[in-house]
Amino acid sequence: DAGVTQSPTHLIKTRGQHVTLRCSPISGHKSVSWYQQVLGQGPQFIFQYYEKEERGRGNFPDRFSARQFPNYSSELNVNALLLGDSALYLCASSVSESEQYFGPGTRLTVT
Amino acid sequence: GIQVEQSPPDLILQEGANSTLRCNFSDSVNNLQWFHQNPWGQLINLFYIPSGTKQNGRLSATTVATERYSLLYISSSQTTDSGVYFCAVSGNNDMRFGAGTRLTVKP
Repeated sequence: DAGVTQSPTHLIKTRGQHVTLRCSPISGHKSVSWYQQVLGQGPQFIFQYYEKEERGRGNFPDRFSARQFPNYSSELNVNALLLGDSALYLCASSVSESEQYFGPGTRLTVT
Repeated sequence: GIQVEQSPPDLILQEGANSTLRCNFSDSVNNLQWFHQNPWGQLINLFYIPSGTKQNGRLSATTVATERYSLLYISSSQTTDSGVYFCAVSGNNDMRFGAGTRLTVKP
């Protein structure tokens, strides 16, 4: 079975631009969560979606938004990029509020 | 929100040694997981252990939920065990990670 997939793998953007990151969960998983991991730190929770509804939101500005589609895939959008948004963005899927499985991440560099 | 503290922050071992990593958390939790992050950033699931004890080969974990801590044991360490180990807990639709323990196993 395929694991969690994320695209793109790497991305370079300029300050002020917009970015969209994509995630496909494990088949049968209905919950998707997004995390930001800055170099040298643990992942920080951004959003959780379950059955297309937002179930949790971390302490991130409104520039960050997400949505989940009927096939349970998800997009993370970040507007007005700042240098500090450079990070590894991780997506995780789970059946519900249970064990989470992580994708390989998208490494975003903002210049 | 729930606070997660991991100790030690860094650990250097000789191959073959045993180690214990600790995770303390500040409130009751529904879920607790241990992960190993490889050099490419992939988080690999080690244990899903909100309570009790589990073993998988040279690794085992124990969570005492009433006392709000979990332990990860690594026995007969190998160089491939090197990397960062994270504890993550969730209580209310958000998973909180500790800062991690960076393990280096020397040959």
